[in-house]
Amino acid sequence: DTEVTQTPKHLVMGMTNKKSLKCEQHMGHRAMYWYKQKAKKPPELMFVYSYEKLSINESVPSRFSPECPNSSLLNLHLHALQPEDSALYLCASRFRASDSNEQFFGPGTRLTVL
Amino acid sequence: GESVGLHLPTLSVQEGDNSIINCAYSNSASDYFIWYKQESGKGPQFIIDIRSNMDKRQGQRVTVLLNKTVKHLSLQIAATQPGDSAVYFCAENIGGAQKLVFGQGTRLTINP
Repeated sequence: DTEVTQTPKHLVMGMTNKKSLKCEQHMGHRAMYWYKQKAKKPPELMFVYSYEKLSINESVPSRFSPECPNSSLLNLHLHALQPEDSALYLCASRFRASDSNEQFFGPGTRLTVL
Repeated sequence: GESVGLHLPTLSVQEGDNSIINCAYSNSASDYFIWYKQESGKGPQFIIDIRSNMDKRQGQRVTVLLNKTVKHLSLQIAATQPGDSAVYFCAENIGGAQKLVFGQGTRLTINP
């Protein structure tokens, strides 16, 4: 299994809703990432987990709450989002935080906040 | 065909021609650089990387050149094919920080 999977593929939510995005990989990677990508823009790093511990938070608003329950799973909990948070949310993983340059990306969850 | 700087977001080339996509980076501490390809509706896909102590690296049909003096990176794609149509991003890894910072991207369009 050499892929990163993300669910759901699409998500529409209101500003008062609580929802979660899920990311899974079974490649034994110990570094996992959340990125946000607006239309026609590059991905922007949000969070980095290394060995299931949060190592980087790029000053992301608290309405985004990441969670890494185990080495294969990464969640992003969403609460009280704003319409400007609508974007493609990408998950990525890498073998180890300080090894191998390649980050494997999932297909993303396209989020629309109404 | 060749893209110039970060402010030309689209590059059109004839099928079979070589493509050159350029990128400028900003951080002298970046220890390696990566090129990613992103097709419509998909996540970025790794193409090739190069460490900061190298000038050139070749892969299958692709070559990456790094000029640290002017902080410039380029991706050369030989004999461009329709499947090469995508947005191409360069990314720099901020040394020791596990952080990838992506450039603005270039959309490559292949004309038959």
